[in-house]
Amino acid sequence: QVQLVESGGGLVKPGGSLRLSCAASGFTFSDYYMSWIRQAPGKGLEWVSYISSSGSTIYYADSVKGRFTISRDNAKNSLYLQMNSLRAEDTAVYYCARFLVGEIAFDIWGQGTMVTVSS
Amino acid sequence: QSVLTQPPSVSAAPGQKVTISCSGSSSNIGNNYVSWYQQLPGTAPKLLIYDNNKRPSGIPDRFSGSKSGTSATLGITGLQTGDEADYYCGTWDSSLSAGHVVFGGGTKLTVL
Repeated sequence: QVQLVESGGGLVKPGGSLRLSCAASGFTFSDYYMSWIRQAPGKGLEWVSYISSSGSTIYYADSVKGRFTISRDNAKNSLYLQMNSLRAEDTAVYYCARFLVGEIAFDIWGQGTMVTVSS
Repeated sequence: QSVLTQPPSVSAAPGQKVTISCSGSSSNIGNNYVSWYQQLPGTAPKLLIYDNNKRPSGIPDRFSGSKSGTSATLGITGLQTGDEADYYCGTWDSSLSAGHVVFGGGTKLTVL
């Protein structure tokens, strides 16, 4: 079945780094845009970044631009988010999602991975 | 402060109908498709509506979407206790840096 599984979350100190991974299965990964979306504890959804099917087009939210890097490996059916210079306000559940760019909709979501930035 | 404005909460009795509004501007809802998501407690969001009013396979027709001008609305009929969840709208916003996706702040639905 169509599935996204995130991993790599954990506790990190302010200023530290973390790399999230998202393993896709059940669909042709290389045909789709992909995205990261986060949700701080008790808060709403915040779009973080998306990447085109080939990886040639990438956009970031202003809150993470210059600190986070999205990438993908179509041979491994995997999406990544390299997070550097982490801040307390980056504490959130990070979701990987398949992005239907023409419809502006996220149709498949992973279960999420928790990132906690604290000293 | 979200670019898209949703009421923080709505409530209705089982079997009744409820609507959830999502208000924006010409730089987002007014010129782009709107999608809606349901997030049950402790779970990941799920796509309910895309292209303003289309339902993905498996979403019951109790859920509907509409858009008029710079506002969009999610409607849910025949409310069930299992519909208690947070609901979010989403779209592009061209007033921000290029290629930005925005969500509403979310609406908590209580089925009394």
